[in-house]
Amino acid sequence: NAGVTQTPKFQVLKTGQSMTLQCAQDMNHNSMYWYRQDPGMGLRLIYYSASEGTTDKGEVPNGYNVSRLNKREFSLRLESAAPSQTSVYFCATLGGAFTGELFFGEGSRLTVL
Amino acid sequence: SQQGEEDPQALSIQEGENATMNCSYKTSINNLQWYRQNSGRGLVHLILIRSNEREKHSGRLRVTLDTSKKSSSLLITASRAADTASYFCATVPNSGYSTLTFGKGTMLLVSP
Repeated sequence: NAGVTQTPKFQVLKTGQSMTLQCAQDMNHNSMYWYRQDPGMGLRLIYYSASEGTTDKGEVPNGYNVSRLNKREFSLRLESAAPSQTSVYFCATLGGAFTGELFFGEGSRLTVL
Repeated sequence: SQQGEEDPQALSIQEGENATMNCSYKTSINNLQWYRQNSGRGLVHLILIRSNEREKHSGRLRVTLDTSKKSSSLLITASRAADTASYFCATVPNSGYSTLTFGKGTMLLVSP
């Protein structure tokens, strides 16, 4: 089992370019999340999807869009990248209301010049 | 907004010593979790403690929760160099996981 897989692992963009971060899980979890991690800021929630077909904004959604393509996949799109979006992005799934733990991917490191 | 705040921000100890990290939060919670992050990697779940629990153990980890003080502590006993990592607390309020928030983390360095 791969768990949570993110692609790409590294990306450099120029200001104004667009790109999509992909996340796929093989754990059959319903809820999926996108976080960004910045030095000294901890992790902040960008968007989440409680189930297939639903998405909701988190704490810092501006400049991002998401798609929950199916139960396995949850993508994050930057339409017009800005230097402020330079960060490490993590996708996570929720292990269940009872177990309550999040399972994280290895991260996607994005630099916007 | 950061709900949990870890203390200290950084901790440096020798192998074999115990490491204690603290987390304070502001609002009522359903549960509190601790995660570990090795440099350049994703976060890994360590332990979850529910609001009606006061203490929980998992191997060399001991977590306490004091809801009256809105604080938690993570104790790692007999630290090893391999425990070197950043440790984050995450609080899940009663409103659910969409509002789970992470603290800024404690960076632990265990020297051989």
